[in-house]
Amino acid sequence: GAVVSQHPSRVICKSGTSVKIECRSLDFQATTMFWYRQFPKQSLMLMATSNEGSKATYEQGVEKDKFLINHASLTLSTLTVTSAHPEDSSFYICSVRGARTEAFFGQGTRLTVV
Amino acid sequence: KQEVTQIPAALSVPEGENLVLNCSFTDSAIYNLQWFRQDPGKGLTSLLLIQSSQREQTSGRLNASLDKSSGRSTLYIAASQPGDSATYLCARLNQAGTALIFGKGTTLSVSS
Repeated sequence: GAVVSQHPSRVICKSGTSVKIECRSLDFQATTMFWYRQFPKQSLMLMATSNEGSKATYEQGVEKDKFLINHASLTLSTLTVTSAHPEDSSFYICSVRGARTEAFFGQGTRLTVV
Repeated sequence: KQEVTQIPAALSVPEGENLVLNCSFTDSAIYNLQWFRQDPGKGLTSLLLIQSSQREQTSGRLNASLDKSSGRSTLYIAASQPGDSATYLCARLNQAGTALIFGKGTTLSVSS
């Protein structure tokens, strides 16, 4: 299966600052990557679809100006949480789709905004 | 609205038991269904993928089945071990056939 590396695994930031999360597809080229968010005891929810070389597609209710996505290469997508607030504290995780439409996930990033 | 429901939400069993985790979904026009394992604070590990043309998949002590007509999938774990303790998630592709829609998961605890 595909190997997906996500960094950092854990980050604590002050309210009002920005945080960048990286997602790398290590063993194949991903034209599309997916960003999910998971609140405690909740399902993973799709935030946006990251498209290489074009704008990301955001799900309803997700602010594109707050969650900036850049997919500049076939192996790297970044999610920047801008002007973070405590309510943005969550588990963020990226995914790529491999052969047979099987999905593979990174290790996730636990964001805590204080 | 496409939804995925997992029952039970939590399950505790002694080591060695065989167990079944349930997943149900609306919309029988399913493309594929995937089972994952998530350890606390960690990412998701893909366990089994069942494509719409398949009825089941097996990997080691795990067997997953898919019944599109009833909108259900089950994950069978044989001879459970303490190392199987984790949250198990099932997910189906959305209508666009791109991203996944997840259930809330079943948290399994296997005691030795």
